[in-house]
Amino acid sequence: GNSVTQMEGPVTLSEEAFLTINCTYTATGYPSLFWYVQYPGEGLQLLLKATKADDKGSNKGFEATYRKETTSFHLEKGSVQVSDSAVYFCALTGQAGTALIFGKGTTLSVSS
Amino acid sequence: GAVVSQHPSRVICKSGTSVKIECRSLDFQATTMFWYRQFPKQSLMLMATSNEGSKATYEQGVEKDKFLINHASLTLSTLTVTSAHPEDSSFYICSAPTPGHSVMNTEAFFGQGTRLTVV
Repeated sequence: GNSVTQMEGPVTLSEEAFLTINCTYTATGYPSLFWYVQYPGEGLQLLLKATKADDKGSNKGFEATYRKETTSFHLEKGSVQVSDSAVYFCALTGQAGTALIFGKGTTLSVSS
Repeated sequence: GAVVSQHPSRVICKSGTSVKIECRSLDFQATTMFWYRQFPKQSLMLMATSNEGSKATYEQGVEKDKFLINHASLTLSTLTVTSAHPEDSSFYICSAPTPGHSVMNTEAFFGQGTRLTVV
């Protein structure tokens, strides 16, 4: 079945450092890929998405490129801020209207 | 944009009592909603799929008699944790897929989550 594997955290960075959170997936067909962010005590917010190979999703300085050849969707940001501290989830869905399958989440902690 | 509202955000209940969590789609109709459970520092585990007008579909290992799901209308799904015990304490999150079924509409909107503590 479909699955998502993302790097385990926590990831601890200083402000303005470069961020990479790795995510790989296993899926049949052509899944859509997502990154969601969860701030402490809150629900999930969509950060970015990509629906086909080679698409690049971007938002708030974060980027991820859908790489079908490596089945990856790594999250990157060139310069993190303290306010980026949160848990980041990589997820996929096989088709519209179906439940998302999540990775285990990566906790990011950014210090000033 | 479309919003999903979940209520309550926090609830503390005594062992043996039941707790109802509501999930509403505010500006769109949701024939399907998903209920997830999140353990501390872990991922979201799909518990069940709520279907308007029909029975919910539960994931393997989820007790349907303990976690009652009702999808009474196109904008409301409820999860009732019956005879709650401390091990049911968790963060429960609902979501609804975006309206439409094109490949561009594959994301989901999430409620704010409910922190359940059973004492």
